Amino acid sequence: QSVLTQPPSASGTPGQRVTISCSGSSSNIGNNDVSWYQQLPGTAPKLLIYMNNQRPSGVPDRFSGSKSGTSASLAISGLRSEDENDYYCAVWDDSLSVWMFGGGTKVTVL
Amino acid sequence: EVQLVESGGGLVQPGGSLRLSCAASGFTFSNYEMHWVRQAPGKGLEWVSFIHPTSTFIYYADSVKGRFTISRDNAKNSLYLQMNSLRAEDTAVYYCVRELEIEDAFDIWGQGTVVTVS
Repeated sequence: QSVLTQPPSASGTPGQRVTISCSGSSSNIGNNDVSWYQQLPGTAPKLLIYMNNQRPSGVPDRFSGSKSGTSASLAISGLRSEDENDYYCAVWDDSLSVWMFGGGTKVTVL
Repeated sequence: EVQLVESGGGLVQPGGSLRLSCAASGFTFSNYEMHWVRQAPGKGLEWVSFIHPTSTFIYYADSVKGRFTISRDNAKNSLYLQMNSLRAEDTAVYYCVRELEIEDAFDIWGQGTVVTVS
């Protein structure tokens, strides 16, 4: 099965902006909406962004999403210590008829 | 409160079977697509299986196809995952997940149930 590629790690100092990429193909990101999830240690993932750039109620506007072609990105602006978690992208793949998750990105606040 | 509660995890020997259950509450279960997603120790998320509200469509990841069976009982507000021929690599936390169909996103996650194959 094809893969959604995320960088394994990203970091920044408090207040900085951090961007996480998610690279796919025409059969997944290129043709469907991407969602993003935040996972705190030892807990279930939480929906952060849906439909590429929409935030559920309660998610701070410091988190934003975008999509262009076969890639998507999650940006965290005004980085805070509590943002130090794992982040995953997800999308449906039309060719394989499977849902796919990216490998995950661990964000570190320096 | 919208809630998903998994149960049925445990320790099983390779080649054995286990049946996971997920009890849904706080929403109209029969209206929603449901999934199982797992996470091996120290690893990322892996989608396992999907089931349509009326069980019309069912999909599996290649890694579990032919060994796992997803099902649901809308009258009991419950989702199930029958896992057969278990392997060490099936060791993971298994999450029951609700999908928002139009938004194409997983909005509600259970707390997870641990499956250990050893």
